[in-house]
Amino acid sequence: DGGITQSPKYLFRKEGQNVTLSCEQNLNHDAMYWYRQDPGQGLRLIYYSQIVNDFQKGDIAEGYSVSREKKESFPLTVTSAQKNPTAFYLCASSNPGGKGYGYTFGSGTRLTVV
Amino acid sequence: SQQGEEDPQALSIQEGENATMNCSYKTSINNLQWYRQNSGRGLVHLILIRSNEREKHSGRLRVTLDTSKKSSSLLITASRAADTASYFCATVPYNNNDMRFGAGTRLTVKP
Repeated sequence: DGGITQSPKYLFRKEGQNVTLSCEQNLNHDAMYWYRQDPGQGLRLIYYSQIVNDFQKGDIAEGYSVSREKKESFPLTVTSAQKNPTAFYLCASSNPGGKGYGYTFGSGTRLTVV
Repeated sequence: SQQGEEDPQALSIQEGENATMNCSYKTSINNLQWYRQNSGRGLVHLILIRSNEREKHSGRLRVTLDTSKKSSSLLITASRAADTASYFCATVPYNNNDMRFGAGTRLTVKP
């Protein structure tokens, strides 16, 4: 079955640590996205990528980094510069390029700073 | 920045009743989409309406779009307890391909 896989489902980070969230899709979608969701709120765009080896900052990119070395993969690193990283992180993909088509979402990673 | 704003923030109805949620947005759009999220899960795409369309149907869902008012509504008819979830509108602007979400409406359908 085609879809998006996010891992891990739960992640705990110590203060000052970098952590990487995995997002893999087998839908052959060109575009991939990372969103952050805080309790009771909507989604805020962190980064997005329309093609391999290219990505753009979203609205809240500070303290995060991404890479897009393969079409199937779009990992998100939460760096120690992100002061309040505890949140639910959602990865999505779409084709072609997002216009006119719905996004497919993964099941999310819940990150907690301990 | 958030693009869409849903109204109401929360809605509680009895099974069998209709549920209406509204969404307002700020800039010109290519299309508007509605998503559903069950607690602690990813989002599921429900329906997409393009800027040149005024109304779309999908099963028990009916979406309208008024670009002059920059608003959309989602109607769920004959609601079921399984419809309990958060519903989000999202907009795709003309000038780029990234999508922005509103804060959502939390719908509770009581059996």
